[in-house]
Amino acid sequence: DVVMTQTPPSLSVAIGQSVSISCKSSQSLVASDKNTYLNWLLQSPGRSPKRLIYQVSKLDSGVPDRFSGSGSEKDFTLKISRVEAEDLGVYYCLQGTHLLTFGSGTKLEIK
Amino acid sequence: QIQLVQSGPELKKPGESVKISCKASGYTFTDYAMHWVKQAPGKGLKWMGWINTYTGKPTYADDFKGRFVFSLEASASTANLQISNLKNEDTATYFCARSGGAYWGQGTLVTVSS
Repeated sequence: DVVMTQTPPSLSVAIGQSVSISCKSSQSLVASDKNTYLNWLLQSPGRSPKRLIYQVSKLDSGVPDRFSGSGSEKDFTLKISRVEAEDLGVYYCLQGTHLLTFGSGTKLEIK
Repeated sequence: QIQLVQSGPELKKPGESVKISCKASGYTFTDYAMHWVKQAPGKGLKWMGWINTYTGKPTYADDFKGRFVFSLEASASTANLQISNLKNEDTATYFCARSGGAYWGQGTLVTVSS
């Protein structure tokens, strides 16, 4: 089974700062079709998860370009530039190459 | 617009069964698989498995083999999750999510308590 190791478990940042979240897979996430199925989700308090980024770096419609995803193979990063108050919540990486596996989550708090 | 609407919260006793529904609208139901995800109180997301909405074939993650059943009412564009012989540790919010992860239901809270 694929294990997704996500760090850090929590972050406390001031408005306007930038943050990065890491997600490392125990296996390569490059699929047989050459795509890499690595998503980033945000679960705001009391809400369902919302997908922000798919296939490593593609932004979902309506997602601010302050969010960006990068990485390849087994090592991935979500970067949030100029954090805003609405960005608080728990961020999860999700791999979809080998069935599905979630990372353990990163709780983003605003100072 | 695409929506996944789940059934309401449930309060059950240990040993009972529960069935949660997830009604899809705004797209062709059989074009996308449906996944189920568990979130225990204060915990992260855990993938339970998925069902092929075209063939009806379910696939269960290892931790969800035995008491968990995914089913369809394809004519009603609805996916169901049934949990039998409920245990306290089944207390959680259960989400359905369309394949790809862009669309999620609002979640159904199942509370198991004597």
